[in-house]
Amino acid sequence: DGGITQSPKYLFRKEGQNVTLSCEQNLNHDAMYWYRQDPGQGLRLIYYSQIVNDFQKGDIAEGYSVSREKKESFPLTVTSAQKNPTAFYLCASRWGIGQPQHFGDGTRLSIL
Amino acid sequence: AQTVTQSQPEMSVQEAETVTLSCTYDTSENNYYLFWYKQPPSRQMILVIRQEAYKQQNATENRFSVNFQKAAKSFSLKISDSQLGDTAMYFCAFTLPNTGNQFYFGTGTSLTVIP
Repeated sequence: DGGITQSPKYLFRKEGQNVTLSCEQNLNHDAMYWYRQDPGQGLRLIYYSQIVNDFQKGDIAEGYSVSREKKESFPLTVTSAQKNPTAFYLCASRWGIGQPQHFGDGTRLSIL
Repeated sequence: AQTVTQSQPEMSVQEAETVTLSCTYDTSENNYYLFWYKQPPSRQMILVIRQEAYKQQNATENRFSVNFQKAAKSFSLKISDSQLGDTAMYFCAFTLPNTGNQFYFGTGTSLTVIP
């Protein structure tokens, strides 16, 4: 079945450590997105990518980095510069303009 | 700036009754696409319904329907014959064709269906 796979489901970060969240899709979608979700808030856009080797910052990109070397993969690195990384992270993809986003099951990141 | 407002943080409804969730949005564009997503306690985001702004006919999907008022920039979701499985956060969102594929989400409405 086609879909989006996020891993791991739970992740813990130590002080000063960078961690990478994985997002893989086999839907052949061009556009991919990373969102952060905090309690009581909606989805806030971190980064998005429309094609391979290209990505743009969203509303809250500081302290995060991404790469898009392959169409199917869009990993997100939470760097030590992100001082409040505890949140639920959602990855999404979309195949065309006006089409809905498809989401992964999310990764919950916590601080040790 | 593009914004989405969901003015009802929490709502509840009796099982088998009907409930309407409100959403207003702001954009100066004329062509866009609107969505409602459902996020149950499992936290998976599930598409509920999609509406194209250039279509006057309101979209329906089984027990879910929308009331799309373009002039008022309003996009409410009606859930008929509410079921316990409808308990979830509901997010309203829209996207513009010419803004790099960005989506704009509201802050959500938490709906509880009471047995």
